[in-house]
Amino acid sequence: GAGVSQSPSNKVTEKGKDVELRCDPISGHTALYWYRQSLGQGLEFLIYFQGNSAPDKSGLPSDRFSAERTGGSVSTLTIQRTQQEDSAVYLCASSRQGAQGGLAKNIQYFGAGTRLSVL
Amino acid sequence: GENVEQHPSTLSVQEGDSAVIKCTYSDSASNYFPWYKQELGKRPQLIIDIRSNVGEKKDQRIAVTLNKTAKHFSLHITETQPEDSAVYFCAASIEANAGNMLTFGGGTRLMVKP
Repeated sequence: GAGVSQSPSNKVTEKGKDVELRCDPISGHTALYWYRQSLGQGLEFLIYFQGNSAPDKSGLPSDRFSAERTGGSVSTLTIQRTQQEDSAVYLCASSRQGAQGGLAKNIQYFGAGTRLSVL
Repeated sequence: GENVEQHPSTLSVQEGDSAVIKCTYSDSASNYFPWYKQELGKRPQLIIDIRSNVGEKKDQRIAVTLNKTAKHFSLHITETQPEDSAVYFCAASIEANAGNMLTFGGGTRLMVKP
């Protein structure tokens, strides 16, 4: 089946503009994660959704960042009033989770990311 | 919260040699430790993982060891090949039915010279 899909693959924007990044998780995966990867750096957790529970927003770097997940599937990460330091690759991942599923349920599968460049 | 340190940041080996990457973690509650491989411009892909109820796991040329007492785990790649060249990330998490985010190490750039 299809993997995690992210769009756009590249986004160039001007400082101060808002951007929206989209993630389509693997069908049937109830958990969805957003991470940020700055150039040559590791992955930084941003936000996590699980089913209908309130999202874990503990990794969001500022109130300019927000995310939503509609219908328990597609997620949109929004960055308002972008700054140059927001330039990075934004990666989305999903996992199956739930009480069933065995040991594989926690494996996170990543999308190809959106490379955001703020000029 | 969890903190994961990864060493070395870069590693260069000759084809056929072994490579070892080490990670330490801070939260004793962490019980799931995956390793991801990221080739240039591509998405991270899981190559192996280990849970805290075992001390070692092997998959062909790749093995991972875990020392819960010392809170460190390592990736071992034997008989390295040029296609092993990539950035490798370790991570730690607390497994739960509801899931949990991964805390990643800073990554190791492995270069395998032919």
